[in-house]
Amino acid sequence: GIQVEQSPPDLILQEGANSTLRCNFSDSVNNLQWFHQNPWGQLINLFYIPSGTKQNGRLSATTVATERYSLLYISSSQTTDSGVYFCAGSTGTASKLTFGTGTRLQVTL
Amino acid sequence: DTGVSQNPRHKITKRGQNVTFRCDPISEHNRLYWYRQTLGQGPEFLTYFQNEAQLEKSRLLSDRFSAERPKGSFSTLEIQRTEQGDSAMYLCASSRRGAINEKLFFGSGTQLSVL
Repeated sequence: GIQVEQSPPDLILQEGANSTLRCNFSDSVNNLQWFHQNPWGQLINLFYIPSGTKQNGRLSATTVATERYSLLYISSSQTTDSGVYFCAGSTGTASKLTFGTGTRLQVTL
Repeated sequence: DTGVSQNPRHKITKRGQNVTFRCDPISEHNRLYWYRQTLGQGPEFLTYFQNEAQLEKSRLLSDRFSAERPKGSFSTLEIQRTEQGDSAMYLCASSRRGAINEKLFFGSGTQLSVL
């Protein structure tokens, strides 16, 4: 199966700072998604982005499919952005996803 | 639009007992997935259904695990003869095949502790 590497593993930011999270895949994926797991454990889908760029408020994501990586940008971070960010991918179209180990983000005042 | 619903939220059981979890997906979603997550790790795929058909099972799913989706709506995951290594968060998720983007939506999970 595919391998998913995420970096950095941990990140501490002050409120208002920007950050970039990266996800590398060992093989091409047809289905790539980003999730935020909040401190209460709920997984929230942020983006479905097998290629291209999408934006949703302060968050945006870019996937370069030919180079097998994806980036998640968080701008003007807020304390509510704290939690773990996962990227996940699948070589098929179904969401039988392989997850990375996540980036743990802490946003402080 | 209600989200994915799972119950129970927590389950504590003794080793060797059987447990069953239930998942109600988002109503218009025809695909339903089960994942397992242990502390500090990302979720791991266990199995998925398209309507009532179980299309794929991970090698992680030993023969003590069985999942059903009898009418293509809710699903159950049963673990027989539980072991301490089964302790984990069991997550259900759903998606709509054929959607422009097949985003996966997760429930809140069932936290299983095997004593």
